[in-house]
Amino acid sequence: EPEVTQTPSHQVTQMGQEVILRCVPISNHLYFYWYRQILGQKVEFLVSFYNNEISEKSEIFDDQFSVERPDGSNFTLKIRSTKLEDSAMYFCASSAPTSGRTDTQYFGPGTRLTVL
Amino acid sequence: GDSVTQMEGPVTLSEEAFLTINCTYTATGYPSLFWYVQYPGEGLQLLLKATKADDKGSNKGFEATYRKETTSFHLEKGSVQVSDSAVYFCALPLRGSARQLTFGSGTQLTVLP
Repeated sequence: EPEVTQTPSHQVTQMGQEVILRCVPISNHLYFYWYRQILGQKVEFLVSFYNNEISEKSEIFDDQFSVERPDGSNFTLKIRSTKLEDSAMYFCASSAPTSGRTDTQYFGPGTRLTVL
Repeated sequence: GDSVTQMEGPVTLSEEAFLTINCTYTATGYPSLFWYVQYPGEGLQLLLKATKADDKGSNKGFEATYRKETTSFHLEKGSVQVSDSAVYFCALPLRGSARQLTFGSGTQLTVLP
C-alpha cells in the first residue's frame, strides 16, 4: 500500500539554524500538507499546497516557514531560523482530490525536530 | 469556530473490554468526520471516517456513527486488544476549508493483558 514517507525521523539543531524537513507524498496525490504536534499538545495545521502554491496556511505559518516542491516527488518544509518553540513533531500529509466531500489525508510517520 | 472535543484521558482497560471514546463536534453544516490513531513512536494513521449524517465508519473492529442530532462521532470497539494501545484523535475540516483538519486533544488508550 502506498504511503507517505518523511526524512529524517529525528533532527537536532541549534537555535537560529535553518532546517529542511523532507517528505515524499503518495505518488498520485495532488494536495500536500504540513502539520505539527508540540509534545503533549494537539496536532496543528500549518499549511496546504496545491499546484505549486500555498492554498491555505495557519497563523503559525509565519515568514520563518516556507514550503517547496522542488521536483516531482519531494515536498519540503523549511524553517529559516529555528526557535526553541519550534521543537515538535512535524507531520507531512497528502491527499487525492475528491469531488464534493473532504479529501482523506494520509500522514507520514513524522520528523521529530529538537531545537537546542 | 469549528472544533472537536474529545473525552479526557487517559483510558485504561483490560483486554476484551468494551471501549467508547467520546467525540463531539461544533460545525456549520455537516462536514466529514475522522478518527486517526497514533501508535507509540509512529505517525497518524486514518482509522475510519464518515462523510455524512448517519454514516457509520468502521475499520479493524472499531466503529463510529455520525450523529447530527447529538453532534457526536463516538468511537467504539466491542473487545479491545493490547495492540489497540495508542492515542486516538477525532478530527474534522475547519469551516470554510475543505482541507485544513482540526484535531481533538487526543485520548490515550492503554489496554492491559
